[in-house]
Amino acid sequence: AQTVTQSQPEMSVQEAETVTLSCTYDTSESNYYLFWYKQPPSRQMILVIRQEAYKQQNATENRFSVNFQKAAKSFSLKISDSQLGDTAMYFCAFMTPQGGSEKLVFGKGTKLTVNP
Amino acid sequence: EPEVTQTPSHQVTQMGQEVILRCVPISNHLYFYWYRQILGQKVEFLVSFYNNEISEKSEIFDDQFSVERPDGSNFTLKIRSTKLEDSAMYFCASSVDRGQETQYFGPGTRLLVL
Repeated sequence: AQTVTQSQPEMSVQEAETVTLSCTYDTSESNYYLFWYKQPPSRQMILVIRQEAYKQQNATENRFSVNFQKAAKSFSLKISDSQLGDTAMYFCAFMTPQGGSEKLVFGKGTKLTVNP
Repeated sequence: EPEVTQTPSHQVTQMGQEVILRCVPISNHLYFYWYRQILGQKVEFLVSFYNNEISEKSEIFDDQFSVERPDGSNFTLKIRSTKLEDSAMYFCASSVDRGQETQYFGPGTRLLVL
């Protein structure tokens, strides 16, 4: 079974600084997808960024980028120029279409606070 | 930009009562999902649905749960006889296709069972 581990329950960063959130996963599959979702206090789940395992290039989306280390099964999220609106829970998620599964497997989340 | 919508945003019910949570997926999406998040815990998969059939379900999704697409736009989750432990945030999600496609989430329904 696939598992996703986020080892940092809480983190804080000063506005305009950079922060990196960690995520590791465990799978024996070769074809899979990784996601970071953001959950602000409103509790809506918002997609931040996605990475296909077959792509060597790290995904970027404006101020958000990932460091995908396939051999180490690591998928960290870097937030540059942090803004107050980045304050939220961040969930790392994994999905593999192998065996016909479509479900996302989530980590326990990291609560990020951006301080003014 | 198209969004997944969910109603109601909050629901309070008595233990043993039936509840129906409603979702309107993004219009061109074909796969629909329900996830649950108990307060303070991680998001858990409940069920996926395609072509008017359940395609995958978790061990959480027992006989008390059912899903339905009653018309061309709505996707519902019914809990027949609610228990205290069903109190959670319920998220609907949809995707264009299965497998490699991104799932887009609705804002959630917060269910409280008393």
